[in-house]
Amino acid sequence: DAKTTQPTSMDCAEGRAANLPCNHSTISGNEYVYWYRQIHSQGPQYIIHGLKNNETNEMASLIITEDRKSSTLILPHATLRDTAVYYCIVREGGSNYKLTFGKGTLLTVNP
Amino acid sequence: DTAVSQTPKYLVTQMGNDKSIKCEQNLGHDTMYWYKQDSKKFLKIMFSYNNKELIINETVPNRFSPKSPDKAHLNLHINSLELGDSAVYFCASSHIHEQYFGPGTRLTVT
Repeated sequence: DAKTTQPTSMDCAEGRAANLPCNHSTISGNEYVYWYRQIHSQGPQYIIHGLKNNETNEMASLIITEDRKSSTLILPHATLRDTAVYYCIVREGGSNYKLTFGKGTLLTVNP
Repeated sequence: DTAVSQTPKYLVTQMGNDKSIKCEQNLGHDTMYWYKQDSKKFLKIMFSYNNKELIINETVPNRFSPKSPDKAHLNLHINSLELGDSAVYFCASSHIHEQYFGPGTRLTVT
């Protein structure tokens, strides 16, 4: 699986958009970008994934650059409950593949 | 409705004991996993089963033995517990892209 690089921590004001960057310069053509988050003391939670195109769901938007070497997770209106560690993971699609978690980005949403 | 459940939530035991953690998913998924999160918060895959067959077995001591009686269950048995086994263990299941995680079992070995 390709390696990812994320900032260690970020802050965001409540109600504002949170933009979390991720670099994955060694991504291969059949690898997807996945985002998960882990709220304190809970199990990781799937957020969104994408291959080439930008994606949006009820939780977030995922913007992938044209060369696919980086991506940004956008939480449009961050709330205090969005405070968590956010993980960007690159791997092949399919249900039989493990997730390799890095250190992630601790996002702190401030009132 | 709980999608992925684990029991127990907390487990405190002494070195040398044998213990089991149970996991059940009601999502109808074919693939299930065990992950370990240590005190430094690193999450690492341990095992993966697909339709009751072992497909991923990372470098895990033989003292750890997963068992899948059916597609909906993946239990983790640990023999001769050591201090270093203290961690939070997460079970997960998946369908194509998304993995769903359980709430975790915090194991403390004293």
